Amino acid sequence: QKEVEQNSGPLSVPEGAIASLNCTYSDRGSQSFFWYRQYSGKSPELIMSIYSNGDKEDGRFTAQLNKASQYVSLLIRDSQPSDSATYLCAVNEVVGQKLVFGTGTRLLVSP
Amino acid sequence: DAGVIQSPRHEVTEMGQEVTLRCKPISGHDYLFWYRQTMMRGLELLIYFNNNVPIDDSGMPEDRFSAKMPNASFSTLKIQPSEPRDSAVYFCASSPTTARYGYTFGSGTRLTVV
Repeated sequence: QKEVEQNSGPLSVPEGAIASLNCTYSDRGSQSFFWYRQYSGKSPELIMSIYSNGDKEDGRFTAQLNKASQYVSLLIRDSQPSDSATYLCAVNEVVGQKLVFGTGTRLLVSP
Repeated sequence: DAGVIQSPRHEVTEMGQEVTLRCKPISGHDYLFWYRQTMMRGLELLIYFNNNVPIDDSGMPEDRFSAKMPNASFSTLKIQPSEPRDSAVYFCASSPTTARYGYTFGSGTRLTVV
């Protein structure tokens, strides 16, 4: 199985700062990339998807993809305490068309 | 739509007992996935179905695990006999097509085997 790597954290940022979450993947053929947010005791929730190199913005969230470097990132601007959660990076595995998840980065936003 | 529905939300059972987890996918979604989540290993894909047919069960840990999807609106994951190391949160997810557009997860079943 192909791998998706994330720093487990926790990543601590003050309220109002930019949080930067990173992810690397091993399957060079992957075409679809996702960020899920998971609050403690809850299920993963899809917050961003990106399919081509560059940036994709949605509100306070920006996903960045660099296929040459096999690198995906998520920026959260104006971080809020309610953003405190675990963020899971997911990448589609070309053979079998299934998602492979990283182990997640825990984000803590302090007031 | 009510989303992906899983039952039960919590299950506590004794080692050696049979456990059955249930899932109702979103109507119209052709793909159904069973994942297991633990602190140590994160989210692991156990098995997935396309149009009720099992496509990849390579993640099923052992013969003690089995999954079925008798129709488009229902799937079960069974563990028989259960062991303490099976304790985890089991998620069901569904998707209208391939992995390209991501999945929608159910609320999960927290299984504790004592």
